[in-house]
Amino acid sequence: LAKTTQPISMDSYEGQEVNITCSHNNIATNDYITWYQQFPSQGPRFIIQGYKTKVTNEVASLFIPADRKSSTLSLPRVSLSDTAVYYCLVGETGRRALTFGSGTRLQVQP
Amino acid sequence: DSGVTQTPKHLITATGQRVTLRCSPRSGDLSVYWYQQSLDQGLQFLIQYYNGEERAKGNILERFSAQQFPDLHSELNLSSLELGDSALYFCASSSGQQSTEAFFGQGTRLTVV
Repeated sequence: LAKTTQPISMDSYEGQEVNITCSHNNIATNDYITWYQQFPSQGPRFIIQGYKTKVTNEVASLFIPADRKSSTLSLPRVSLSDTAVYYCLVGETGRRALTFGSGTRLQVQP
Repeated sequence: DSGVTQTPKHLITATGQRVTLRCSPRSGDLSVYWYQQSLDQGLQFLIQYYNGEERAKGNILERFSAQQFPDLHSELNLSSLELGDSALYFCASSSGQQSTEAFFGQGTRLTVV
């Protein structure tokens, strides 16, 4: 499994755009990049998944450079309710269980 | 609502006891995963089942066991409980082996006293 490295924590203010970068230098050809969000005492929630370039959904955007050694989750105009832990996962779809790292604790201030 | 149901929501038991946690996956999902999350800790993968068969094993203690039944629900059995087993236990399901989009239940909070 490709090891991932994310910042331990980030702070932001309401209305700002937040970018969380994940490093995965050993990503394999068949690996996808997936991001999850977790609120305290709740199960993680799937946010977005991508393989290369850019993916956008109603919640976030995921930017993946050509070498795929990193990825950036972009949350537009965050609100207080976006305060959560964000996990970056890298792996071949379905081949191995979802392994979560330490995640990034995002704190959004008013 | 993720569609994954876990019961019970809370469980308090004494050391040395045995408990069973239950998980009903989303309708149609064949894969079930179990995770343990201790206070302020990350999610530790325990075990995965696909259509009744064990598919992957993580850091699951020998005192813990799990199974997936023909109706696809799953149970996680924890025995000889220790104080350190106190944690949130999450179940997740996905549509198949070829998916990294998993849906998590609300968890069972186990407290061992």
